[in-house]
Amino acid sequence: GAGVSQSPRYKVAKRGQDVALRCDPISGHVSLFWYQQALGQGPEFLTYFQNEAQLDKSGLPSDRFFAERPEGSVSTLKIQRTQQEDSAVYLCASSLGDRDQPQHFGDGTRLSIL
Amino acid sequence: RKEVEQDPGPFNVPEGATVAFNCTYSNSASQSFFWYRQDCRKEPKLLMSVYSSGNEDGRFTAQLNRASQYISLLIRDSKLSDSATYLCVVNINNTDKLIFGTGTRLQVFP
Repeated sequence: GAGVSQSPRYKVAKRGQDVALRCDPISGHVSLFWYQQALGQGPEFLTYFQNEAQLDKSGLPSDRFFAERPEGSVSTLKIQRTQQEDSAVYLCASSLGDRDQPQHFGDGTRLSIL
Repeated sequence: RKEVEQDPGPFNVPEGATVAFNCTYSNSASQSFFWYRQDCRKEPKLLMSVYSSGNEDGRFTAQLNRASQYISLLIRDSKLSDSATYLCVVNINNTDKLIFGTGTRLQVFP
């Protein structure tokens, strides 16, 4: 089925390296969301796009985090100069755009910073 | 104080039992409410929306009390396959982001 696809599934990086995480939303879904989930916690909102416009980035923890969705479809979350506290699962979700519509999540990227 | 609070559990119950989870939210502007289910090392999946009048979906019943800012989920006749983490989720009015609780872990044993 054509669900939300994220890659890579697992990523290990050394502290200080830059990483890029990719999200392919469900075709036709206008809204795209990034969440960060630490072990034993619920997902925490990072940022949100409607088409190519980034409407809310209030959850990004620092200016090392950057997200884009240049053509309103695929999105990339980039983390520069990674730190150990960036280790988490990064979840992408998409929806049709109406607030009553459910968000469909991808499998996530499990990021480990050594 | 967290915006959405849940008892983390775990709740260990035998098959066939009835179990209830509670959740409180702090923002009175919260507009939409959901329960998501998350299996170990998997993505969250929508279990059900929660409506003001309360709603039922098979063995699952969700209730909302806006005055007390309280949401509940009742699972009747628990199955082994119900073992998972249940996430209470709210959507603040005029925003699109979801606010998740930390989740309540349920373990159903034979």
